Amino acid sequence: QQPVQSPQAVILREGEDAVINCSSSKALYSVHWYRQKHGEAPVFLMILLKGGEQKGHEKISASFNEKKQQSSLYLTASQLSYSGTYFCGSTNNAGGTSYGKLTFGQGTILTVHP
Amino acid sequence: SQTIHQWPATLVQPVGSPLSLECTVEGTSNPNLYWYRQAAGRGLQLLFYSVGIGQISSEVPQNLSASRPQDRQFILSSKKLLLSDSGFYLCAWSEWTAYGYTFGSGTRLTVV
Repeated sequence: QQPVQSPQAVILREGEDAVINCSSSKALYSVHWYRQKHGEAPVFLMILLKGGEQKGHEKISASFNEKKQQSSLYLTASQLSYSGTYFCGSTNNAGGTSYGKLTFGQGTILTVHP
Repeated sequence: SQTIHQWPATLVQPVGSPLSLECTVEGTSNPNLYWYRQAAGRGLQLLFYSVGIGQISSEVPQNLSASRPQDRQFILSSKKLLLSDSGFYLCAWSEWTAYGYTFGSGTRLTVV
């Protein structure tokens, strides 16, 4: 089942912060975050595994709340280069018949203006 | 280092014609391989995935098929394209469930 992302779109000025949420109705094993620029392939940002960890990547970080079956992506002090569509992807078990198969959310369009 | 190659970059095909898209991965062995499709302005839909040579799992029944003739080669095919097959096709690989996906540059297919 596809995870649900919110909001669908965000418009920011440079330097502002944003939060993108990703929730699932199924128990999550892992959550991935990707950014896709227009006309390009998605680029991997980070993965969070079951265990409630939080990760950071410069000014982009994420958290994973396994009890609530949700993850949030935090973008702080946004830059023009952050513009793009952000996708979360979830896996529901460690392997077995899933083989790390990712189901992606519908995406959140982030636009950063000067 | 690992690299993924996908070709062609763009393709315009008439309805009813066959299709063959190829994806190869270098610098790793026995990768998990995936084909995704993205309709214009939409999310990523998993079409096929493979965990080894000759092993293919299909997610969405349709007129597409996939094959993995070699460890690092993944092919997406169709015998007769439909208008609804238009989209952005992406090949991806990963080492294991705890690793992120690396996507190829994609093939933009337009069926006319």
